[in-house]
Amino acid sequence: GAVVSQHPSRVICKSGTSVKIECRSLDFQATTMFWYRQFPKQSLMLMATSNEGSKATYEQGVEKDKFLINHASLTLSTLTVTSAHPEDSSFYICSARGPSGGGEQFFGPGTRLTVL
Amino acid sequence: EDQVTQSPEALRLQEGESSSLNCSYTVSGLRGLFWYRQDPGKGPEFLFTLYSAGEEKEKERLKATLTKKESFLHITAPKPEDSATYLCALNSGGYQKVTFGIGTKLQVIP
Repeated sequence: GAVVSQHPSRVICKSGTSVKIECRSLDFQATTMFWYRQFPKQSLMLMATSNEGSKATYEQGVEKDKFLINHASLTLSTLTVTSAHPEDSSFYICSARGPSGGGEQFFGPGTRLTVL
Repeated sequence: EDQVTQSPEALRLQEGESSSLNCSYTVSGLRGLFWYRQDPGKGPEFLFTLYSAGEEKEKERLKATLTKKESFLHITAPKPEDSATYLCALNSGGYQKVTFGIGTKLQVIP
């Protein structure tokens, strides 16, 4: 149980284009999902908290207009990187709070974004 | 501010050589301490949740323990497939947010 999928696993795009990443909880409902970014040899950096049916809460320093988050259902959250630039290249990982209520998060497999 | 410090940053063990990873923390009100395993290029895999000092959890060759200031992940007779980065994280206060440590990169040599 508590499986989270993420799509695509890898994307390469040209500078200036927008990229959408999907995060799905497959076997449970997730009222809260999280989006992280991870640079090489660094830990996870929380970008935003996504709550179903309401606006996402962004961490300090994360541009809301650049990283659009939509959590339209209890099983799907999307992250859109708008007008991507090479500095946006990174490993993006989503997670969902598990169904047990214990606070643990279950992570998707991640999306490797490369902006040329 | 909540803080999580993991040590060592990297650990190299021979197969069968038991050891422990450390996670020291400072927190205003602990609601849970989590251990994750992360393989290269993949998302973290949940291992354990600990809630209170004295609590222990086990899974195969891994055992996690918790005190009021730190948590240990004990690895008994590790195998090469245990090689990964192990992340410690804590959940405090507002429940929404989890603070991650930088991780310990474990390499088990056959």
